Amino acid sequence: SQQGEEDPQALSIQEGENATMNCSYKTSINNLQWYRQNSGRGLVHLILIRSNEREKHSGRLRVTLDTSKKSSSLLITASRAADTASYFCATDASSNTGKLIFGQGTTLQVKP
Amino acid sequence: DTGVSQDPRHKITKRGQNVTFRCDPISEHNRLYWYRQTLGQGPEFLTYFQNEAQLEKSRLLSDRFSAERPKGSFSTLEIQRTEQGDSAMYLCASSLVLAGGGNEQFFGPGTRLTVL
Repeated sequence: SQQGEEDPQALSIQEGENATMNCSYKTSINNLQWYRQNSGRGLVHLILIRSNEREKHSGRLRVTLDTSKKSSSLLITASRAADTASYFCATDASSNTGKLIFGQGTTLQVKP
Repeated sequence: DTGVSQDPRHKITKRGQNVTFRCDPISEHNRLYWYRQTLGQGPEFLTYFQNEAQLEKSRLLSDRFSAERPKGSFSTLEIQRTEQGDSAMYLCASSLVLAGGGNEQFFGPGTRLTVL
């Protein structure tokens, strides 16, 4: 079963705007990861944030983590048409296995 | 290409047939994961290997499913007596887990299975 819930399920913006996606989860975690998936393809790892971190940046991506609220957000700044994809959060809540529990994803459309 | 590869990319089979998928992970990675993804959903964990040992299996993995990683390198996932409900994208991922490190997983392109 899915651990995470993502909000919104779908998001449509204009190129150049910022996109924010949210993820909520249910259990304590070791880390939380964000992945991107282009239509019908495999997943690409974007960023990993550990449970003792609150914010992380990678290029145009900014991820926050609030363990007290069991939530995370992914911000994509200055979006491009190439950012059009589905975005998934995934939690590693295991003691050692590293298995990931994915949310249902947010579908982002960036219009040129 | 030094990424994770999967073969075949697409498989169409008739109900009741057996199918086998292959995954070649990134060569130095010690962990290999199998996930299943249906349309509009996120991937769901099936099983994982630490080197050649299969250490956890999901309840999703019925007795018709078997996975192996015989030499700690490539892995196979076999589905026997396929059912229409097995239709999905089967994703393989690998990672290098070191002490104190995170578990960033690298995914292959997936094998899309259609059971008629």
